[in-house]
Amino acid sequence: DSGVTQTPKHLITATGQRVTLRCSPRSGDLSVYWYQQSLDQGLQFLIQYYNGEERAKGNILERFSAQQFPDLHSELNLSSLELGDSALYFCASSVAPTGGNGGYTFGSGTRLTVV
Amino acid sequence: AQSVTQLDSQVPVFEEAPVELRCNYSSSVSVYLFWYVQYPNQGLQLLLKYLSGSTLVKGINGFEAEFNKSQTSFHLRKPSVHISDTAEYFCGLNTGFQKLVFGTGTRLLVSP
Repeated sequence: DSGVTQTPKHLITATGQRVTLRCSPRSGDLSVYWYQQSLDQGLQFLIQYYNGEERAKGNILERFSAQQFPDLHSELNLSSLELGDSALYFCASSVAPTGGNGGYTFGSGTRLTVV
Repeated sequence: AQSVTQLDSQVPVFEEAPVELRCNYSSSVSVYLFWYVQYPNQGLQLLLKYLSGSTLVKGINGFEAEFNKSQTSFHLRKPSVHISDTAEYFCGLNTGFQKLVFGTGTRLLVSP
């Protein structure tokens, strides 16, 4: 157990639907990062939050949004889902706003299947 | 800007053979370097990291990596691999001022 908790582990939904993925960072970590991993795109950075504020944005689609709450858990919202959104979605956390010399701690991911 | 290049997308090797997974980086400032491992259907797990000091870094599961500043490389090695080492390996770089930058990953396939 890495200390980063992601729920749900698996999600199957239809095209056009909206889903919410949840991440609880490791205790003491203020930074949360979201990644998408698919066979054809590899590991893609989506977005980062630090202590409730958006800090960095990557290849995140406009249909996707995220937020970090006062208790530091984060949610990734995916809407108007398409078949191509099927992927593993990872959350990672770190103490420092950049990861620093400690690196990131990853959760075990949410596997999203859009049918 | 910083970048990481993993030169091999896939490395097949026989069990008990040595392996080297290559990672090169580009940065104009000092870096922290990381190797992560992802076993099938799991998240990424930190294997080892280089922060400063000795250029040879030892990690979990018998892996080690050598930081070479002149070659801007951080290659991962294991003298004798096991079937259980079959996984994807990601090299990462952090300057301390920006988020981690990952390479595209190398899939290590160990066969009997």
